[in-house]
Amino acid sequence: DAGVIQSPRHEVTEMGQEVTLRCKPISGHDYLFWYRQTMMRGLELLIYFNNNVPIDDSGMPEDRFSAKMPNASFSTLKIQPSEPRDSAVYFCASSPTRTYGYTFGSGTRLTVV
Amino acid sequence: AQSVTQLDSQVPVFEEAPVELRCNYSSSVSVYLFWYVQYPNQGLQLLLKYLSGSTLVKGINGFEAEFNKSQTSFHLRKPSVHISDTAEYFCAGRGNAGKSTFGDGTTLTVKP
Repeated sequence: DAGVIQSPRHEVTEMGQEVTLRCKPISGHDYLFWYRQTMMRGLELLIYFNNNVPIDDSGMPEDRFSAKMPNASFSTLKIQPSEPRDSAVYFCASSPTRTYGYTFGSGTRLTVV
Repeated sequence: AQSVTQLDSQVPVFEEAPVELRCNYSSSVSVYLFWYVQYPNQGLQLLLKYLSGSTLVKGINGFEAEFNKSQTSFHLRKPSVHISDTAEYFCAGRGNAGKSTFGDGTTLTVKP
């Protein structure tokens, strides 16, 4: 199994540009999570899906952030327009059921200049 | 609401010494507990989990944790650490809602 696959690994963009982060969860995992990690705020849950349906998006910072999961094997997190304060490492994670731990991807390091 | 508290933000220890990373949780419903490790520039990796049954659970890399219901604790231990154990460690609890609550992390630094 290739694990949770995130792309790109690194993204540098200018303020105001649209950024799209991608995630391929492990096949058969029903839960998908998007997290953001910074030194100041630690690990923050942005949104999670169960069977492709968004369950809790209360962690999404503002309307500039949106996430979709069109099918069981793909999810995107979009930021439009991006701002320097969005700079962080964004992780995607998946799990088969709620009694299992998460498998995390390697993350996307986003830098907005 | 479920919360997870890691009592130490940083733990320095010498190589081959024992270590304990402390975690307390609060929950009014059934809960599953986990420890994760994060090495620099990597994602979190599951170390071990407690679902039910034996209160002592063993994980990868020689780590173990003990679930203590009366003290609402789930401390992580290793009898002898290596330089390669230097990393950040996260305790997490997962309730019936499906999502986990993570602690703030403990940075373990193993010195030669």
